[in-house]
Amino acid sequence: ELKVEQNPLFLSMQEGKNYTIYCNYSTTSDRLYWYRQDPGKSLESLFVLLSNGAVKQEGRLMASLDTKARLSTLHITAAVHDLSATYFCAVDSRSGGSNYKLTFGKGTLLTVNP
Amino acid sequence: DTEVTQTPKHLVMGMTNKKSLKCEQHMGHRAMYWYKQKAKKPPELMFVYSYEKLSINESVPSRFSPECPNSSLLNLHLHALQPEDSALYLCASSQAMTASYEQYFGPGTRLTVT
Repeated sequence: ELKVEQNPLFLSMQEGKNYTIYCNYSTTSDRLYWYRQDPGKSLESLFVLLSNGAVKQEGRLMASLDTKARLSTLHITAAVHDLSATYFCAVDSRSGGSNYKLTFGKGTLLTVNP
Repeated sequence: DTEVTQTPKHLVMGMTNKKSLKCEQHMGHRAMYWYKQKAKKPPELMFVYSYEKLSINESVPSRFSPECPNSSLLNLHLHALQPEDSALYLCASSQAMTASYEQYFGPGTRLTVT
């Protein structure tokens, strides 16, 4: 059974600082996703990572994927308060025959303080 | 159009009520999903429909009854729910579930059972 581990689960940052969220997964994956979720809202897709060495950047967020290490990172540069949210990684993999399922990490609650 | 719509946005129901959640997509996707998300937890898969047939039921109690009337619509019928069923219910769709395709999430229905 696929396991997805995120760390840290809680992250309190100061504005202007950099930090990285890690996502480890236990078996071969076809795709890895990073989502943002604001309180009471749905999931917002941030990045879709398809292949080894993939790197994507949007604003202050950059995601990377190392399929050999089964590791993805979400790097936050010069954090601002608007980045405060919960961030989930999710892995899409074959489960039970020919079907694919998304398995989510537990999420990282990010709080950016002034 | 990459939109998945869900109605209602909020629902309050008593334990003896019967209600339904509705999800709609017009992207031609043939896989549709129901997830349940409790506060501060990742989404949990409940059901998956593939080509309008139920493909996955993650051992969900029978008080939740899914229905897929056509390829664009997905319903979740609720009956005799318990207070612990209060959660955010997310619908998603993807091109298919037999390959790794991105899931598109709706805005969710916030359900409160009193």
